[in-house]
Amino acid sequence: AQSVTQLGSHVSVSEGALVLLRCNYSSSVPPYLFWYVQYPNQGLQLLLKYTSAATLVKGINGFEAEFKKSETSFHLTKPSAHMSDAAEYFCAVSDQGNTGKLIFGQGTTLQVKP
Amino acid sequence: KAGVTQTPRYLIKTRGQQVTLSCSPISGHRSVSWYQQTPGQGLQFLFEYFSETQRNKGNFPGRFSGRQFSNSRSEMNVSTLELGDSALYLCASSRDNPGDGYTFGSGTRLTVV
Repeated sequence: AQSVTQLGSHVSVSEGALVLLRCNYSSSVPPYLFWYVQYPNQGLQLLLKYTSAATLVKGINGFEAEFKKSETSFHLTKPSAHMSDAAEYFCAVSDQGNTGKLIFGQGTTLQVKP
Repeated sequence: KAGVTQTPRYLIKTRGQQVTLSCSPISGHRSVSWYQQTPGQGLQFLFEYFSETQRNKGNFPGRFSGRQFSNSRSEMNVSTLELGDSALYLCASSRDNPGDGYTFGSGTRLTVV
């Protein structure tokens, strides 16, 4: 069965510092991979997705992620953190043949310090 | 364009009651999925509907059910509510290609007392 592991339930960075949120997946075939962000009392907003095209994926708000098959990883990065980036981030995987179902990691709360 | 609309936003129910939550997908999206989000279990998949048929189902008891109408709107029902059903219920819609990604609504916060 598919699974997603997000390393670190809480990450704290200073404003302007690099953001790195880690995600590893388990899959026997190349999956679709997603990063979502959730602000308090809101739903999930799609940041970016990997669908077997380019391995480096650029998303909204300056975020990007790199798919590394050899490491089964899909880490999310942003060169310079803004206060508005403080939120909870979820990595998710979808089987190519398993429509409608996303398997989520446990989430990483990003704190941005002034 | 309008996003995914979930109603109501907040709901308080008593243990043993039943509840119905509604989800209107983005126009043109025929797949609707439901998720339960709790602090302890995180985001868990409930079920997915496509063209009025349940196409995929998670590991939840039969008290959780859903349906989809011809206009793609979906409802989920929880019968005989338990305290542990308190959660944020999220609905997501997509066209029908998992690679397109899923657009989520703002959720319905259900509190069971």
